[in-house]
Amino acid sequence: GENVEQHPSTLSVQEGDSAVIKCTYSDSASNYFPWYKQELGKRPQLIMDIRSNVGEKKDQRIAVTLNKTAKHFSLHITETQPEDSAVYFCAASILTGFQKLVFGTGTRLLVSP
Amino acid sequence: DARVTQTPRHKVTEMGQEVTMRCQPILGHNTVFWYRQTMMQGLELLAYFRNRAPLDDSGMPKDRFSAEMPDATLATLKIQPSEPRDSAVYFCASGRTGVSYEQYFGPGTRLTVT
Repeated sequence: GENVEQHPSTLSVQEGDSAVIKCTYSDSASNYFPWYKQELGKRPQLIMDIRSNVGEKKDQRIAVTLNKTAKHFSLHITETQPEDSAVYFCAASILTGFQKLVFGTGTRLLVSP
Repeated sequence: DARVTQTPRHKVTEMGQEVTMRCQPILGHNTVFWYRQTMMQGLELLAYFRNRAPLDDSGMPKDRFSAEMPDATLATLKIQPSEPRDSAVYFCASGRTGVSYEQYFGPGTRLTVT
């Protein structure tokens, strides 16, 4: 079945640094790749997604990239702030008679002031 | 700002008791997903409904878990009997299959079974 691997599992950066989280997927038919941010005790919130016909998408300090050939996609956060501290999940869509998402195992990002 | 709602937010119960969790999807969304989140397993998909019909519950322990969607505004997840290993946060998410893959999560029910 579809498998999504996410690295690193934890990431510590200083405020103002950049953070990069990477995911790989196995199903070449996957065509939708969302990123969720989950703060402690809160719900996962969709922060950005990318579709297979787009290589890069950017909104202010957040960018996501997709390399379909290599089957990997990444989340980039620039000028990190303490409020960026959270667990980030990547996911990939699969279509097995119906649409669903397979999630990565999460990356705990800690931004120190 | 439409959001998925879930009740209760917290539940503490004794082993062997029945637990019912409820979810109200975003109005107009035709798909509902139930996930379980633990430290060890991350986000596991338990069940999935589209237009109120169950499409996949392969992630659910069949002997004790059941999921239903009695109407378009209510989805339920029931555990009977509950066990300590069921302790986790249970999230409901909704979306519009056929329009997009986007899923929006509810606040979750934190279940503790003692």
